[in-house]
Amino acid sequence: DGGITQSPKYLFRKEGQNVTLSCEQNLNHDAMYWYRQDPGQGLRLIYYSQIVNDFQKGDIAEGYSVSREKKESFPLTVTSAQKNPTAFYLCASSSGTGKLAEAFFGQGTRLTVV
Amino acid sequence: GESVGLHLPTLSVQEGDNSIINCAYSNSASDYFIWYKQESGKGPQFIIDIRSNMDKRQGQRVTVLLNKTVKHLSLQIAATQPGDSAVYFCAETTDSWGKLQFGAGTQVVVTP
Repeated sequence: DGGITQSPKYLFRKEGQNVTLSCEQNLNHDAMYWYRQDPGQGLRLIYYSQIVNDFQKGDIAEGYSVSREKKESFPLTVTSAQKNPTAFYLCASSSGTGKLAEAFFGQGTRLTVV
Repeated sequence: GESVGLHLPTLSVQEGDNSIINCAYSNSASDYFIWYKQESGKGPQFIIDIRSNMDKRQGQRVTVLLNKTVKHLSLQIAATQPGDSAVYFCAETTDSWGKLQFGAGTQVVVTP
């Protein structure tokens, strides 16, 4: 089945530690996105990528980093510079290619700082 | 900055009744809108979309209405069922790639 897979589902991080969240898609989508969701709130864009080896900052990029070495993969690293990383992280992809396109979401990774 | 927002944070609906979820947007350049449903602990799922050149679009049990004059979007769910209980988000984009701006969401609770 085609879709987006995020792993792990739950992740615990110690203060001062970097962690990487995985996002893989087999939809052959060009564009991929990372969103952060806090309890009772909407989704805020962290980073996005419209093509391999290129990505742009979203609204809340500070303390995060990404890479896009392969079309299928868009990992997100939460660095120690992110002061409040506990949140639900959602990865999405869309076909782009110049047409209006819905974004398909993964099932999310819940990150907790312990 | 420009943003998308929702009028009601929580909507309680009796099973079988119709639900109406409202959304206000402020970016007049937005030309594509999507409604998503998010169940607890899961990622958002696409419900229905509408382009700015349309006023209304219908799906299975759902209808989206767009009023560009007052920058208002609504989602109507007919004969609401327990499985409709979730948080509903509207999202907008001016970007053909699908980079979306989300509202805060409305929690819909279906009561028996």
